[in-house]
Amino acid sequence: KAGVTQTPRYLIKTRGQQVTLSCSPISGHRSVSWYQQTPGQGLQFLFEYFSETQRNKGNFPGRFSGRQFSNSRSEMNVSTLELGDSALYLCASSLAGQAYEQYFGPGTRLTVT
Amino acid sequence: AQSVTQLGSHVSVSEGALVLLRCNYSSSVPPYLFWYVQYPNQGLQLLLKYTSAATLVKGINGFEAEFKKSETSFHLTKPSAHMSDAAEYFCAVSESGSEKLVFGKGTKLTVNP
Repeated sequence: KAGVTQTPRYLIKTRGQQVTLSCSPISGHRSVSWYQQTPGQGLQFLFEYFSETQRNKGNFPGRFSGRQFSNSRSEMNVSTLELGDSALYLCASSLAGQAYEQYFGPGTRLTVT
Repeated sequence: AQSVTQLGSHVSVSEGALVLLRCNYSSSVPPYLFWYVQYPNQGLQLLLKYTSAATLVKGINGFEAEFKKSETSFHLTKPSAHMSDAAEYFCAVSESGSEKLVFGKGTKLTVNP
């Protein structure tokens, strides 16, 4: 069974631009969560989607948004990029209800210049 | 609010020595607890999880962790370190009914030959 895939793996954007990251969960997984990882703040929860609905949201500004499609694939969008948005963005999927065992993708490394 | 504290941002051991990585949690309800490992330029891989069954949990690659409610701890151990264990380790907590993981700051494990 294929793991969680994230595209692109690396991205360089300029301050003020917007960016869209994509995540394809493991087949059969209906919950997708997003995390931001930075050296200073560590791993922080962004949001979680289940059956195309956002169920949980972390403490991030409204510039960070996401969505989930009917095939469980998810995208996250960051508008008006700031230098501080440079981070590794990780996506995780789970069956939801299976003791919340989440499987992580390799991440998208976003650099904002 | 839930929180996780990992004592020691860096731990160094010799190959063949005991590995002990410390994790203390704070949660107002019985938690689900996890240990993840991250190798350079990769996502997170689940090592083991505690979900209120046995207090001693065995995971992959010879790792195990013991849930101690009285000490609010979930320390990770491995009897004999291997060079391939060098990585960063994260302890995480979630509440029942939530996919949201709250992570500790991580402990970078170095294994010396």
